[in-house]
Amino acid sequence: AQSVTQLDSHVSVSEGTPVLLRCNYSSSYSPSLFWYVQHPNKGLQLLLKYTSAATLVKGINGFEAEFKKSETSFHLTKPSAHMSDAAEYFCVVSGYNTNAGKSTFGDGTTLTVKP
Amino acid sequence: NAGVTQTPKFQVLKTGQSMTLQCAQDMNHEYMSWYRQDPGMGLRLIHYSVGAGITDQGEVPNGYNVSRSTTEDFPLRLLSAAPSQTSVYFCASRMTPGETQYFGPGTRLLVL
Repeated sequence: AQSVTQLDSHVSVSEGTPVLLRCNYSSSYSPSLFWYVQHPNKGLQLLLKYTSAATLVKGINGFEAEFKKSETSFHLTKPSAHMSDAAEYFCVVSGYNTNAGKSTFGDGTTLTVKP
Repeated sequence: NAGVTQTPKFQVLKTGQSMTLQCAQDMNHEYMSWYRQDPGMGLRLIHYSVGAGITDQGEVPNGYNVSRSTTEDFPLRLLSAAPSQTSVYFCASRMTPGETQYFGPGTRLLVL
């Protein structure tokens, strides 16, 4: 079984300040973990992914995430928010070699960036 | 590559009507999935397929059927539409379970 909990449904930051979006996961197996972003009325775009290589993963647009097995966390960070970062963010867990084909999405975190 | 394509983009149905949402990918991906997205609930898995001829249920399969006769296509059928099926539907594909999913642009469905 696998599950994902995004700890904040809404996060609001000022432009130029750091962003932290929190994600905890549960998986019976070694997971693959992903962060996707969805801008209003748009599809989903991959930000970054962890697939058992380096625990600190760098993604697009300055985002990065750190896989912490002991804390079962995969938090998304960015040093300095930009207005264009305002969107919905989803943390996703997928079984790498098992639970084939199934991905579980978190409920999403809405990021608001204030000028 | 066109990636993952979905048709139609938008559809209005009356309660009880049936329809098929089309999904196709040209990346030779074995794994394909259908999700629905409702406000505040993220994406929920409806059905998925691990290859041609093989499908399985996800979290919310009731009221939906799928088949996978080819690697490229993975249609989703609504047997008898209900207002509770009003949602945005996304199709996705990937090569292996741990790899990146590529999403289609979505189909917005309104059931009256």
